[in-house]
Formats: sequence, C-alpha cells, structure tokens
Amino acid sequence: LAKTTQPISMDSYEGQEVNITCSHNNIATNDYITWYQQFPSQGPRFIIQGYKTKVTNEVASLFIPADRKSSTLSLPRVSLSDTAVYYCLVGGWTGFQKLVFGTGTRLLVSP
Amino acid sequence: GAGVSQSPRYKVTKRGQDVTLRCDPISSHATLYWYQQALGQGPEFLTYFNYEAQPDKSGLPSDRFSAERPEGSISTLTIQRTEQRDSAMYRCAVGTGDEKLFFGSGTQLSVL
Repeated sequence: LAKTTQPISMDSYEGQEVNITCSHNNIATNDYITWYQQFPSQGPRFIIQGYKTKVTNEVASLFIPADRKSSTLSLPRVSLSDTAVYYCLVGGWTGFQKLVFGTGTRLLVSP
Repeated sequence: GAGVSQSPRYKVTKRGQDVTLRCDPISSHATLYWYQQALGQGPEFLTYFNYEAQPDKSGLPSDRFSAERPEGSISTLTIQRTEQRDSAMYRCAVGTGDEKLFFGSGTQLSVL
C-alpha cells in the first residue's frame, strides 16, 4: 500500500488560492489518487480523483506530475467554509482493496 | 445514488458490555468499509467487504472486534467486552466501482 505524507496544517485567507501537496513515493502503476474533505462531526466527502496530469471539477483541481510521486490539490479562492481537514488517498481500480487515510491536512481559512 | 445509513447515531455503554453497530447502504454496493475515527485523528481502517466476502480485516484492533455482511448488503460491527479505549466514532462507507467512498453519518460510541 502506498503511504501518503501531507502537511499537518495550513493557514490561508478568504479569496486566496490554496495548494495542498501529498507525497506518495511508492505509488503503484494501477493506483489512483483521491482527495477527501472532512468537516467536524461529518464523514469524509469525496472531492476529486485523478491518475495523471490535471483534473478539474467545479470544486478543485488536481495536479499530478509525470512521475506520480506526489499530487497537489488546488482550491481556488477559498472561503471560510473551506476550513476542513483534507486527506489524500492512493488506491487502485483493479480490484476492491483496503483504502487507508493518512493524517490529513487541517486547513484554516481566516477572514 | 450512493448513500449509507448508520445506527444508532450515538451509543453509550458500560465497560464490559457488547455493542453492535449497523450500516445499511441505501442502494446496492459491492464494497463496504468500516473505519474508526478518534477525535482529531484521521479515519483508521478496520475492515472491508466485497459483497459478503471479507478480504481484509487486518485493521481490527483485537479479536473483540468482528464484522459481518451475510447477504452482501447490511453490515454490522460488533465489539465484545467493550473497553474505554474503544470510544470513538465508527464510520461506514460504501465504494463505487472506481473506489470513491461515500460515508454515513457514523456512530459515536462512548464506553463509560
């Protein structure tokens, strides 16, 4: 299983772009990268998933370099409501498997 | 769409008692996961099911913990002889074909 490493916490201000990087040096060929958001008292919520290059949806962008040993979640123009813990997970599509959460990054957005 | 109902929402029990937590997927999903989450920590993997099969239960902390999914739908997590260190939020999630997880609201277990 690919282990992930993220910064423990990040601070930002409303309206800024936030980039959270996750390291996964031993990612396997068939592994995808998925990011989740968790608010207090709620379960993690899917944000975005990708395999390589760049993926964008209405919430965020995900940048994955060619070697896939890291990935960066980009949140454009954050608001106070983006204050949450963000987790990256690495896992494969080739079969059902154990999906392990890391420690996550606690993002605090201030006015 | 994907969704999960967990019950009870809160469970308070005395040390030494057995508890059973329930996870009821709203629609059919092959995979179902159980996680334990302590306050301020990330979800810790306990076990998962592929329909009724349980390919991996390596995260169960001890033999006091067990999980079932006999018909490949509803799942239960049982903790026998509960201890105070078992107090945590227990989260169930179902996986889509591309392994995006959808979580239920969880069961907050307090062992006194």
